[in-house]
Amino acid sequence: EAQVTQNPRYLITVTGKKLTVTCSQNMNHEYMSWYRQDPGLGLRQIYYSMNVEVTDKGDVPEGYKVSRKEKRNFPLILESPSPNQTSLYFCASSLYKGSTDEQFFGPGTRLTVL
Amino acid sequence: GQNIDQPTEMTATEGAIVQINCTYQTSGFNGLFWYQQHAGEAPTFLSYNVLDGLEEKGRFSSFLSRSKGYSYLLLKELQMKDSASYLCAVRRSGNTPLVFGKGTRLSVIA
Repeated sequence: EAQVTQNPRYLITVTGKKLTVTCSQNMNHEYMSWYRQDPGLGLRQIYYSMNVEVTDKGDVPEGYKVSRKEKRNFPLILESPSPNQTSLYFCASSLYKGSTDEQFFGPGTRLTVL
Repeated sequence: GQNIDQPTEMTATEGAIVQINCTYQTSGFNGLFWYQQHAGEAPTFLSYNVLDGLEEKGRFSSFLSRSKGYSYLLLKELQMKDSASYLCAVRRSGNTPLVFGKGTRLSVIA
């Protein structure tokens, strides 16, 4: 089944404790991205990647890192999480063949930083 | 800057028709997407417009006017399961990421 998976789905952690949220897609998509979704602010892009070893900042990259060593995986790293990073995070991927490509979203990771 | 506006909330009756509007002001335009998102779930793709006019897909239709920076999503024969948030998103150019509006929460009542 074609899908985007994220792990963990739920995480409660404490300020400063490094964490990684994994994202994997099995559709051979070139384009992957991370979003955070907060009430009243909508979906905001954190980072995106057009292909292996190519990553770029989105609208809200501060406090986050990403890597794209393989086509299928695009982990999101929070080196020193803070309470303002409490949010619902979505990973998404698309084929990136022209501009008609729809994005497929993962199920989301609800992160709470205490 | 980039600006995408949609109403925050709407309520409509089961079986009725509802139109959700989206206006945008972006530096460049290369397509507009509509996504549906049920509470606590991931967004799912509904429609895509890049040329002016109406795209119909079953009970859902989407319209675009590039000169007015305006789109709407039309939902016909509303069902309770259509209660969700509807997100308008714009792609500014071929390579750039989507910019999302804040979404419209639609409640369908009996």
